[in-house]
Amino acid sequence: DTAVSQTPKYLVTQMGNDKSIKCEQNLGHDTMYWYKQDSKKFLKIMFSYNNKELIINETVPNRFSPKSPDKAHLNLHINSLELGDSAVYFCASSKRTSTNEQFFGPGTRLTVL
Amino acid sequence: AQTVTQSQPEMSVQEAETVTLSCTYDTSESDYYLFWYKQPPSRQMILVIRQEAYKQQNATENRFSVNFQKAAKSFSLKISDSQLGDAAMYFCAYRSNNNNDMRFGAGTRLTVKP
Repeated sequence: DTAVSQTPKYLVTQMGNDKSIKCEQNLGHDTMYWYKQDSKKFLKIMFSYNNKELIINETVPNRFSPKSPDKAHLNLHINSLELGDSAVYFCASSKRTSTNEQFFGPGTRLTVL
Repeated sequence: AQTVTQSQPEMSVQEAETVTLSCTYDTSESDYYLFWYKQPPSRQMILVIRQEAYKQQNATENRFSVNFQKAAKSFSLKISDSQLGDAAMYFCAYRSNNNNDMRFGAGTRLTVKP
């Protein structure tokens, strides 16, 4: 299936731990994103990245870092997890030359205890 | 920065009836894209419909249509013949043609009553 996939779907961890969420797209897109959806369902972009440029939302703590081993992957690393990091994290991708539609992964629900 | 406003946190509609979800946005740009995404309880974000700002004709996808008023910066979604499966959170989104940012509204939770 052509899609954006994320692993894991659920992640429960203790405060202070370091964790990663993986994202892969097989759509041939050149730009990938990470979004955070809080408990009130508000979606905020965290990062957008293509092979040339990383754009960081300035409100994102530097404990969060995207890592892209290749064009099809954009993983999210989170250091020293805090209670407020609990949210659903969505990966998305798009092709710059298209109608700019973004395709979303299924989301990862992160719970920090 | 562009902002997207959805003034209806919750809406409900009777099955088979029509409902309109509101969205307004603020921008100084002339070239951009607008989207409606649906998020059912499964959490998956699903594109419902898109509109290019340079097109005057309102987009339509089966039972879903938009009323795009560029001067008023309004982009409402009309769902005709509502079905139980339409129950979801609906997000309006704006994307500039100049960068990759997609700005989302706060969402409208739609309930469909049988």
